[in-house]
Amino acid sequence: DSGVTQTPKHLITATGQRVTLRCSPRSGDLSVYWYQQSLDQGLQFLIQYYNGEERAKGNILERFSAQQFPDLHSELNLSSLELGDSALYFCASRPDREVTDTQYFGPGTRLTVL
Amino acid sequence: AQKITQTQPGMFVQEKEAVTLDCTYDTSDQSYGLFWYKQPSSGEMIFLIYQGSYDEQNATEGRYSLNFQKARKSANLVISASQLGDSAMYFCAMKSGYALNFGKGTSLLVTP
Repeated sequence: DSGVTQTPKHLITATGQRVTLRCSPRSGDLSVYWYQQSLDQGLQFLIQYYNGEERAKGNILERFSAQQFPDLHSELNLSSLELGDSALYFCASRPDREVTDTQYFGPGTRLTVL
Repeated sequence: AQKITQTQPGMFVQEKEAVTLDCTYDTSDQSYGLFWYKQPSSGEMIFLIYQGSYDEQNATEGRYSLNFQKARKSANLVISASQLGDSAMYFCAMKSGYALNFGKGTSLLVTP
């Protein structure tokens, strides 16, 4: 158990809908990362937050947005969903003082868009 | 741009044998970090081992070791004494800016 929690574990929805994925980082970790894993694109970095502020953006679509709250949990919002958004979405957190910059991943949320 | 290449889509190994999973990388950075993660069929990503570019020794964590050859830009994962529970996807990754850049993965099947 990495200590990173994600809810829900599975999500099934329809095209055009909006969903929110939730992540709680490991205790004390200020950084939260979101990744998308799909069959065709592999594992891709979406966005990073550090202590409530957006730190870096990757291949995140404009239909997607995220935020990190004062209690450090983060939410990834996906809107106007398309079939191609079906994927496994991971949240990861990283300890500030660890030299290796290792990211610890949550169990993921599997999103199916029908 | 940084790139991670895992050339073995799938590997088989017999239980109790050792197996090497290949990873090559391309970077112009002098200081970098390399990671291996395991993804079982249940889906979670489990951190296995880390190697820093300036580390003088190859990293080891239990049955996992990293065969780091800096000049060849390779960071192969060696799993000793394979167990049935080692059957999973294995991903090599490199820190790229703030994020991790992953290879496409190698599927390992351990047979009895």
